[in-house]
Amino acid sequence: GNSVTQMEGPVTLSEEAFLTINCTYTATGYPSLFWYVQYPGEGLQLLLKATKADDKGSNKGFEATYRKETTSFHLEKGSVQVSDSAVYFCALTYSGGYNKLIFGAGTRLAVHP
Amino acid sequence: DVKVTQSSRYLVKRTGEKVFLECVQDMDHENMFWYRQDPGLGLRLIYFSYDVKMKEKGDIPEGYSVSREKKERFSLILESASTNQTSMYLCASYSNSGANVLTFGAGSRLTVL
Repeated sequence: GNSVTQMEGPVTLSEEAFLTINCTYTATGYPSLFWYVQYPGEGLQLLLKATKADDKGSNKGFEATYRKETTSFHLEKGSVQVSDSAVYFCALTYSGGYNKLIFGAGTRLAVHP
Repeated sequence: DVKVTQSSRYLVKRTGEKVFLECVQDMDHENMFWYRQDPGLGLRLIYFSYDVKMKEKGDIPEGYSVSREKKERFSLILESASTNQTSMYLCASYSNSGANVLTFGAGSRLTVL
């Protein structure tokens, strides 16, 4: 079936370090891919998305490229800040509708000064 | 900004009690969702609604029901709460037009003793 696999956390980094959070997926057809972020005490917010192969989503210094050949959508940021500490969720929808949105388990990121 | 408000942030209930979780959105969105969030499992869809009085089961509807009598309000009901329903519950909504972004509430953390 369709699924999303994320690297286990927590990921602990120092400020200004490079961040990669791995995400791979299994899906039939051509899903749309998303990264959501959940800051402490808040709901999830859409961070970025990509709807077709080789698309790059970007927002707030974060980037992810839709790689169909490796079925991956890894999240990267060149220089993290303490304010980036949050839980990050990779997700896919294979029908274009949010009623079919499938989430990964989430990866907690802790950034220290 | 679209607001999705979950009226209860923290609830503690006893096994067998009937529990109501309320969600209200203020932007006339047609579609509303209830998810539960558990560590290591990500978010799982319980129920969704695409119109007033319309509802569809998600991936884990057992033990839950929902009510949508008005467009802005979507209620999740636990008819007889059990300890395995201790979790974080997230409501979300989106519009069929416009930006089509899924917007989440801050969550309701339910503990069943």
